[in-house]
Amino acid sequence: NAGVTQTPKFQVLKTGQSMTLQCAQDMNHEYMSWYRQDPGMGLRLIHYSVGAGITDQGEVPNGYNVSRSTTEDFPLRLLSAAPSQTSVYFCASSSHTGTENYGYTFGSGTRLTVV
Amino acid sequence: LAKTTQPISMDSYEGQEVNITCSHNNIATNDYITWYQQFPSQGPRFIIQGYKTKVTNEVASLFIPADRKSSTLSLPRVSLSDTAVYYCLVSSYYSTLTFGKGTMLLVSP
Repeated sequence: NAGVTQTPKFQVLKTGQSMTLQCAQDMNHEYMSWYRQDPGMGLRLIHYSVGAGITDQGEVPNGYNVSRSTTEDFPLRLLSAAPSQTSVYFCASSSHTGTENYGYTFGSGTRLTVV
Repeated sequence: LAKTTQPISMDSYEGQEVNITCSHNNIATNDYITWYQQFPSQGPRFIIQGYKTKVTNEVASLFIPADRKSSTLSLPRVSLSDTAVYYCLVSSYYSTLTFGKGTMLLVSP
């Protein structure tokens, strides 16, 4: 049981390049989300999905796209990288099964630098 | 979404009990209180969750008064490895999580 797997762990992009951050979970969780964390800050929600085929914007969606074609995968696409997108990106998943435990499982993060 | 307020930082020594209090005056009836722990260069890790009264697991205890306007995370006998940022979050079943800056706990020898 791998939990939430994010790839790559590190990435350096040039301004204007595009790339996809991968996120996969093997827990059959319905809910998946992407956060970014800047130094000294809490996590800010970028996009989230409540199930396959359903996505919605979070607090800071500009410059990012997502899709959810399967329950397991939730890739985050940077359309045209900018230095302001330099950050650590975390993917998280959760099960909404009606139990009290709404705990989210987070991946280990992708550290992205845009130069 | 209910906003939370917690201390920016706390200091403790090994073996002591640490209590971190979180204020959430606007908590809604359907909201739960959840605490996460984050080490440097890692994603947050779920610690404990509760709705009212007291919840205890192998890691921590969570105390929630009857009015639910605050909650206290209690870490018994902390060790150096408990040095981390602790986040208090309030959310309901299908709502998204909103993270504040958390409380930086520093445990010294």
